[in-house]
Amino acid sequence: GAVVSQHPSRVICKSGTSVKIECRSLDFQATTMFWYRQFPKQSLMLMATSNEGSKATYEQGVEKDKFLINHASLTLSTLTVTSAHPEDSSFYICSAIPPTGPRGAFFGQGTRLTVV
Amino acid sequence: SQQGEEDPQALSIQEGENATMNCSYKTSINNLQWYRQNSGRGLVHLILIRSNEREKHSGRLRVTLDTSKKSSSLLITASRAADTASYFCATGSNYKLTFGKGTLLTVNP
Repeated sequence: GAVVSQHPSRVICKSGTSVKIECRSLDFQATTMFWYRQFPKQSLMLMATSNEGSKATYEQGVEKDKFLINHASLTLSTLTVTSAHPEDSSFYICSAIPPTGPRGAFFGQGTRLTVV
Repeated sequence: SQQGEEDPQALSIQEGENATMNCSYKTSINNLQWYRQNSGRGLVHLILIRSNEREKHSGRLRVTLDTSKKSSSLLITASRAADTASYFCATGSNYKLTFGKGTLLTVNP
């Protein structure tokens, strides 16, 4: 089945630094990928839609200058958390939808970001 | 925006028992999906039910959809300890999904 790989699975960084998270579709091309954020024991909140070759579409309340998204190829989207602060600590998950096959989104394994 | 809300928030049962989780949403939908998330991991798609379907089965899973009540239920039969996870319903179009708050299911061996 379709596989979406996310890297790294865990990252700890210092306040003020930037962190890049990668999301790859391993066996299909994805013109659109999605980035979600999940706080402990809460649901997933859509942050932005990543569009290959064009600008990402951000949800209301999500700072585009803080959460930089680049979708440079049909198999890779990156989320960069810039100038990270402790309140950015969260679980970040990406998803993509294969063009064919059973309906439903495929999710990466998630990235646990801790900003100290 | 659409918002799925599951209940109960947490459910603890014994192995072999059935588990039922419910989801309500607010606006019209084309389909509703159920996902599973193991602790600290990504989500796994379980089943999708279209708005013109009332019931769907997949292995030990049974999903119902009542569009008049804007609600759906997920039934897991003959539960196993490995079913322990959080379960989310999701609605949306073009896979821009809106997730409910989830039900944490614990199956005790």
